[in-house]
Amino acid sequence: RKEVEQDPGPFNVPEGATVAFNCTYSNSASQSFFWYRQDCRKEPKLLMSVYSSGNEDGRFTAQLNRASQYISLLIRDSKLSDSATYLCVVSPTGNQFYFGTGTSLTVIP
Amino acid sequence: SAVISQKPSRDICQRGTSLTIQCQVDSQVTMMFWYRQQPGQSLTLIATANQGSEATYESGFVIDKFPISRPNLTFSTLTVSNMSPEDSSIYLCSVKLGSGYTFGSGTRLTVV
Repeated sequence: RKEVEQDPGPFNVPEGATVAFNCTYSNSASQSFFWYRQDCRKEPKLLMSVYSSGNEDGRFTAQLNRASQYISLLIRDSKLSDSATYLCVVSPTGNQFYFGTGTSLTVIP
Repeated sequence: SAVISQKPSRDICQRGTSLTIQCQVDSQVTMMFWYRQQPGQSLTLIATANQGSEATYESGFVIDKFPISRPNLTFSTLTVSNMSPEDSSIYLCSVKLGSGYTFGSGTRLTVV
């Protein structure tokens, strides 16, 4: 079983829509969770960390469900500039990171 | 956050040759990481490079194929040796800062 699994999409949504991505992880002892964004032909960049209590950054909300071993990313009021691949990242130990295959989002005018 | 300079940004190489990728960080870091991202795939960790010791390789990656140098706390190289078309990929260096990773801009390698 893969360490991290994501729905690859693609998700095609109209501008202004709300979209949510989920990601499941296999190691129940995992400590740290992140969402990264990767634009086409660019390196991944940290979007936000995911905290146990959930956290919000503007239009982006990340949540962690330890019981079900998944994390989620919610994007409200989608912008064209949100089009990218979103990578779920899980770290069991703090030094070893496992990346999901990414979820492709295209926001359509 | 750290600035990571990675080069070359891209290269096209003949099979059987080797390519060395360089990664320079503008601050001292204990660990540097090398990843591979094959077309349509996510990132796979190749090895962790610690200054002053041999790199630690992940399952499926060996030192003879991917030798790594880490001469100081701001620099590392990854060599892709005896290349074949299956090595065509994006190679990324990364450092851990705070709780997350920061990546270099990547090297897009095509082996023909």
